[in-house]
Amino acid sequence: GAGVSQTPSNKVTEKGKYVELRCDPISGHTALYWYRQSLGQGPEFLIYFQGTGAADDSGLPNDRFFAVRPEGSVSTLKIQRTERGDSAVYLCASSPLAGSLEQYFGPGTRLTVT
Amino acid sequence: KQEVTQIPAALSVPEGENLVLNCSFTDSAIYNLQWFRQDPGKGLTSLLLIQSSQREQTSGRLNASLDKSSGRSTLYIAASQPGDSATYLCAVISNSGYALNFGKGTSLLVTP
Repeated sequence: GAGVSQTPSNKVTEKGKYVELRCDPISGHTALYWYRQSLGQGPEFLIYFQGTGAADDSGLPNDRFFAVRPEGSVSTLKIQRTERGDSAVYLCASSPLAGSLEQYFGPGTRLTVT
Repeated sequence: KQEVTQIPAALSVPEGENLVLNCSFTDSAIYNLQWFRQDPGKGLTSLLLIQSSQREQTSGRLNASLDKSSGRSTLYIAASQPGDSATYLCAVISNSGYALNFGKGTSLLVTP
């Protein structure tokens, strides 16, 4: 079946602009996660959804970052007033809520802030 | 806070060698541990998942072991091939949450 998809694959934006990154999880997966990966580093957790609600947003770096999942499926990560330090690959993953909790990742969105 | 460390950071081996990648974590109260592969510019592909009650998992030429009490896992790759060249990431889910905590990865190069 279809895996996790993310759009766009690449996004270049100017400092100060607003961006939205989209994630389509695997159908039926209740849990959805956003991670951020900087060059040479492992992914770092940003936010986790159970259904429509953010169950844990402790990884969001500041209030410029916000994410929604209004219908419990597609999620959008929103970044306001982008800064050059926001440049990274943003990864989305989904998993079932029971059992092994194995997470399946999308291809990521590479964000470049100029 | 859970800290995950991977050693070595980089590894280069000739084709055909067996090799071991190491992962350690500071908090042994984990739910599961996953090994991932990441090719340059790509997302993560799950290789093996070991639940906390298990000691190892195998898939083809890959074998992952887990020693929860000592906070260690190893990924064994048998008869390495150039196509195995990639970055290998280890990650754990702690009992206290659902998020994966990742190491920085081991960059593997298998030369023909």
